[in-house]
Amino acid sequence: QKEVEQNSGPLSVPEGAIASLNCTYSDRGSQSFFWYRQYSGKSPELIMFIYSNGDKEDGRFTAQLNKASQYVSLLIRDSQPSDSATYLCAVKGGYQKVTFGTGTKLQVIP
Amino acid sequence: DAMVIQNPRYQVTQFGKPVTLSCSQTLNHNVMYWYQQKSSQAPKLLFHYYDKDFNNEADTPDNFQSRRPNTSFCFLDIRSPGLGDAAMYLCATSREGTGTDEQYFGPGTRLTVT
Repeated sequence: QKEVEQNSGPLSVPEGAIASLNCTYSDRGSQSFFWYRQYSGKSPELIMFIYSNGDKEDGRFTAQLNKASQYVSLLIRDSQPSDSATYLCAVKGGYQKVTFGTGTKLQVIP
Repeated sequence: DAMVIQNPRYQVTQFGKPVTLSCSQTLNHNVMYWYQQKSSQAPKLLFHYYDKDFNNEADTPDNFQSRRPNTSFCFLDIRSPGLGDAAMYLCATSREGTGTDEQYFGPGTRLTVT
């Protein structure tokens, strides 16, 4: 069983729509959760982090965490073509170890 | 601006010829990580330093070594690169113990093995 699972996509949404990206994790002791955006050939860029159950909003991005269900999601409102990238979910467990999912490729269609 | 810097950005080496990749940071973070990322795969943690304490992943080959001479610098040594070691190598840093522990990445080094 993979420790962090994401649908690889591609997820295609029209410009201006809401993109919803999902992630599940297996380690119940995980405390920190991150979303990274990665353009092809570039390094991951941190866009959201969340530590507590509930929602956290930052501009067009909202991260949602449900520890009971071991589920974290990212919503992107008013999606733009520049949002087209791979989105990596990352989960931190013990001993500072961060485990990444394989990422969901998002395509925003103009 | 505070940042994570990796050099070189692109490295070409020959099969079996040792290579060293470097990472420096101006964030004063106490944890530094090295990841390997191959095309369409998740970043794979090789090892990390928490201050001076080295933490190796169980499945990291012995061919990969690391050094952290001071807080700001960390090196990845590949002693005998094979064709399968061609990848993007990512350095990341975080600050542990302050309540926020998000991880920031450098731009990466693309390694080609010929």
